[in-house]
Amino acid sequence: QVQLQESGPGLVKPSQTLSLTCTVSGGSISSGSYYWSWIRQPAGKGLEWIGRIYTGGSTNYNPSLKSRVTISVDTSKNQFSLKLNSVTAADTAVYYCARDPYYGSDRFDYWGQGTLVTVSS
Amino acid sequence: DIQMTQSPSSLSAYVGDRVTITCRASQSISTYLNWYQQKPGKAPKLLIYAASSLQSGVPSRFSGSGSGTDFTLTISSLQPEDFATYHCQQSYSFPRTFGGGTMVEIK
Repeated sequence: QVQLQESGPGLVKPSQTLSLTCTVSGGSISSGSYYWSWIRQPAGKGLEWIGRIYTGGSTNYNPSLKSRVTISVDTSKNQFSLKLNSVTAADTAVYYCARDPYYGSDRFDYWGQGTLVTVSS
Repeated sequence: DIQMTQSPSSLSAYVGDRVTITCRASQSISTYLNWYQQKPGKAPKLLIYAASSLQSGVPSRFSGSGSGTDFTLTISSLQPEDFATYHCQQSYSFPRTFGGGTMVEIK
């Protein structure tokens, strides 16, 4: 069974870069059958899709964050990563990584447990 | 961006009740609509995809319907483990967007 696990600093200072990694186990990230996404959720609020990457390297980003976001993949480590620069308190949220099948209807069928990132000095 | 509006934002129900949650898209999204269940402190879990397809392992008391702009998630007989927040999400266009969520509470 595939599992996803987020990791990274839980506290980031304003104006700095938030960096998270999602490690995939139970399956190869380079199988070509999935997109790999980042989604976030501020406390008590709804879900916001940040963006996704395909192992071929193509990406899609949320226009509201596109100027600050980079998603990359490291197939040798079976990981994909999120970088969000120039963070503010508004970027404080639980960040999830998720899998999205390449074939058929897009949906997030497996999720990581989530990691809380707080932006504060 | 396509706006997803869920109603109600919260509801109270008894175990055994039939519960219906509505999701409306700001433009037609065909059947590119997914439903998720989220319990406190946990990641969302996929219940329904493509508007009406039941995700593997999800109990058959969950069902989805709709197309175009109007969609429903129905729980035929609410169970204690179903008290949670439910989210709809469109996969028709970028950026992917979610509804604001519907919290289902015990009456």
